[in-house]
Amino acid sequence: ETGVTQSPTHLIKTRGQQVTLRCSSQSGHNTVSWYQQALGQGPQFIFQYYREEENGRGNFPPRFSGLQFPNYSSELNVNALELDDSALYLCASSYEETQYFGPGTRLLVL
Amino acid sequence: QQPVQSPQAVILREGEDAVINCSSSKALYSVHWYRQKHGEAPIFLMILLKGGEQKGHDKISASFNEKKQQSSLYLTASQLSYSGTYFCGTETSRTGNQFYFGTGTSLTVIP
Repeated sequence: ETGVTQSPTHLIKTRGQQVTLRCSSQSGHNTVSWYQQALGQGPQFIFQYYREEENGRGNFPPRFSGLQFPNYSSELNVNALELDDSALYLCASSYEETQYFGPGTRLLVL
Repeated sequence: QQPVQSPQAVILREGEDAVINCSSSKALYSVHWYRQKHGEAPIFLMILLKGGEQKGHDKISASFNEKKQQSSLYLTASQLSYSGTYFCGTETSRTGNQFYFGTGTSLTVIP
């Protein structure tokens, strides 16, 4: 158990729709990162938030955006969904340079 | 910037040893190692920081050669529970605002 939870566990959307994924981390974990993991691939870094501000970003378009809240929860928003957005989305909170992953949200875009 | 791991896949019998390598084209601040089982989230194994220290716990250890920008994960006397995909993850700076997972190594331990 890492103490990091994500919701929902599974989600089906259609192309062009928008989606919001949620993550809740442990108290004191000021940094949260989001990753996209396509089937059979390793996780790809989307972005990182530190104390409610974006602190770094991977090679993802602006339609991927996020928020981090003071209560150690965060959101990943994806607009104008594309078929290739189908993947497992993982959030990870960091404490003392260790990342603790949530169980992920599996998104299917039809 | 994705680190390259080798081998891509390995099959071991229980009790055998394995080495997984991770190589980066960039200077590294830290290397993390994770194991991920099918359908589950990655589980943190250990972190190695700039300075070339070697770490380990139980029968799993790792080394970090900062000059060569390489890290190796050593699994000794493998157990069935070691099966999974192993990823290294790298940071190029202390602020850690860019984290890259390696290409992955699938490890299968058979009885």
